[in-house]
Amino acid sequence: ILNVEQSPQSLHVQEGDSTNFTCSFPSSNFYALHWYRWETAKSPEALFVMTLNGDEKKKGRISATLNTKEGYSYLYIKGSQPEDSATYLCALMDTGRRALTFGSGTRLQVQP
Amino acid sequence: NAGVTQTPKFQVLKTGQSMTLQCAQDMNHNSMYWYRQDPGMGLRLIYYSASEGTTDKGEVPNGYNVSRLNKREFSLRLESAAPSQTSVYFCASLTGASGANVLTFGAGSRLTVL
Repeated sequence: ILNVEQSPQSLHVQEGDSTNFTCSFPSSNFYALHWYRWETAKSPEALFVMTLNGDEKKKGRISATLNTKEGYSYLYIKGSQPEDSATYLCALMDTGRRALTFGSGTRLQVQP
Repeated sequence: NAGVTQTPKFQVLKTGQSMTLQCAQDMNHNSMYWYRQDPGMGLRLIYYSASEGTTDKGEVPNGYNVSRLNKREFSLRLESAAPSQTSVYFCASLTGASGANVLTFGAGSRLTVL
């Protein structure tokens, strides 16, 4: 079983703050790293998929980077807004099987 | 375009009862998945089907069976429900074209076993 770790478990920030979270994973057999955003009472929705070492992706105020050699990815949110409040999940697909292993998520709450 | 449809949305069972969760996708995706979500534990993979005609165990398969009925449908069966199977279940699908594609999730099925 792959071990995908996310930190911190939860985060409270003020509106306007910038923040970042970490996803760590075993670097061997890496195939793809996914980030999902999961709002309460909804289904997870994809933010980014990254496959190459050094990949950087951006969508509005949210961006992500990937380091496959050392086994980590960062998700950044610039100028957090209350609507960014959600759980952010990372997930790893390795070369051994066509399935995603999820971390336990970082729960972000943005106070107005 | 419905995406991934799961039924039922809610179900209450007594210990020992059986039930099947149904999942269908209309996106012509090759791979389908069943995850369960428990507080503080993220999403854990129960079973998956990488392509029509194949199924494989995930991290927590005990107490479950699956059937990939055709390319569209992937069902999850609890033969003898236990309170430990109280959870929210998510079905998801993924096109097999490349590793750059993302999971599309259903709305979830909340199961309570008394």
